[in-house]
Amino acid sequence: DQQVKQNSPSLSVQEGRISILNCDYTNSMFDYFLWYKKYPAEGPTFLISISSIKDKNEDGRFTVFLNKSAKHLSLHIVPSQPGDSAVYFCAASAFDGQNFVFGPGTRLSVLP
Amino acid sequence: EAGVVQSPRYKIIEKKQPVAFWCNPISGHNTLYWYLQNLGQGPELLIRYENEEAVDDSQLPKDRFSAERLKGVDSTLKIQPAELGDSAVYLCASSNGAQGEQFFGPGTRLTVL
Repeated sequence: DQQVKQNSPSLSVQEGRISILNCDYTNSMFDYFLWYKKYPAEGPTFLISISSIKDKNEDGRFTVFLNKSAKHLSLHIVPSQPGDSAVYFCAASAFDGQNFVFGPGTRLSVLP
Repeated sequence: EAGVVQSPRYKIIEKKQPVAFWCNPISGHNTLYWYLQNLGQGPELLIRYENEEAVDDSQLPKDRFSAERLKGVDSTLKIQPAELGDSAVYLCASSNGAQGEQFFGPGTRLTVL
């Protein structure tokens, strides 16, 4: 039973355009969410977070949107760059922000 | 500042052999995590330490897996005996305990033949 779902295994976007990566969750107790980026042969690196008290958080080219009623969040990357090509994981935590459940990831390819 | 260090980076063993992975977290990080990542999947928590105490090991298969963090700094994860299905990447992460990001090491890719 996957509590965190990323239904698109892969996504291709042209350089300069917007990339939108989606994440859905089933556990209504989740209240803190993270996005990680992972390059091959490296560990995941933190990208951006959002708490359930917000519906949007922005950091440079990266914006995360949270729709609690739909149990859905999305990561927007604008403009997309070839260096953004990586696997993106959505992760969710309930209560303590310590234990996170990760989604299966979406592989983003930004084409020059 | 040095990141999370893991060794070895790669390990190939035959089934039924023992194997151990080592992790040194970021200095000052009291919380340490071991994750398992199968191909095409996200990391799955095996165990979480607060200092030297294992506060969540509910997902650790205790019949063959063990972990320790004796002095509350570096940690070792062991599998004995290894099975074919244990082939995966084993990730270590650490955090300073505040809500939020974990810092991951590069992982150890285990292949069991």
